[in-house]
Amino acid sequence: EVQLVESGGELVQPGGSLRLSCGASGFTFSSFWMSWVRQAPGKGLEWVANMNQDGSDKYYVDSVKGRFTISRDNAKNSLYLQMNSLRAEDTAVYYCARDRRGATVGHYDYWGQGTLVTVSS
Amino acid sequence: DIQMTQSPSSLSASVGDRVTINCRASQGISNYLAWYQQKPGKVPKLLIYAASTLQSGVPSRFSGSGSGTDFTLTISSLQPEDVATYYCQKYNSAPGTFGQGTKVEIK
Repeated sequence: EVQLVESGGELVQPGGSLRLSCGASGFTFSSFWMSWVRQAPGKGLEWVANMNQDGSDKYYVDSVKGRFTISRDNAKNSLYLQMNSLRAEDTAVYYCARDRRGATVGHYDYWGQGTLVTVSS
Repeated sequence: DIQMTQSPSSLSASVGDRVTINCRASQGISNYLAWYQQKPGKVPKLLIYAASTLQSGVPSRFSGSGSGTDFTLTISSLQPEDVATYYCQKYNSAPGTFGQGTKVEIK
């Protein structure tokens, strides 16, 4: 059974940093592009970032470029999102998702349960 | 970046009704379009990809159509368990932008 489990979300002050993790199981993690998608409270889905199987190809939404870094450790079956210079508008549930398509960007057949990041003083 | 616009933002229909949700891309995206269902308090679920391919396990009352800039998600006979917000997503190139969502309720 495919499972994606996010962790690391918490309350952080504006300007602070946070590292999210996503542990994967039930599939060959190293064979898939992986993504982060977020959802602000009561709002819609927002695509954040993704990366390819070996980490050599990464893409970000404009609003997080230069502040967020996506990475992965295939030996640990884990995906990460390093978030720096956090702003109130980054407050959201962050989902880890498996990319089914296997190209620059794809669609998502498995999602984690999400981890809540709250940016507030 | 390409923008994705859904219409309507919300709708209310009776059980058994045919429901149509539209998604428009600001530029052509061929058929690189997916639809998701998100029930209240739940994780998004993939319904359709490649504009019209039904994801395994999704009821056949859901269907998708379109290509280029205009796409449609149709629920042929609305059921109570279909109450949810539906999102389109384009994936022809990064970023994989989502539409703003369409909330479906039972009248």
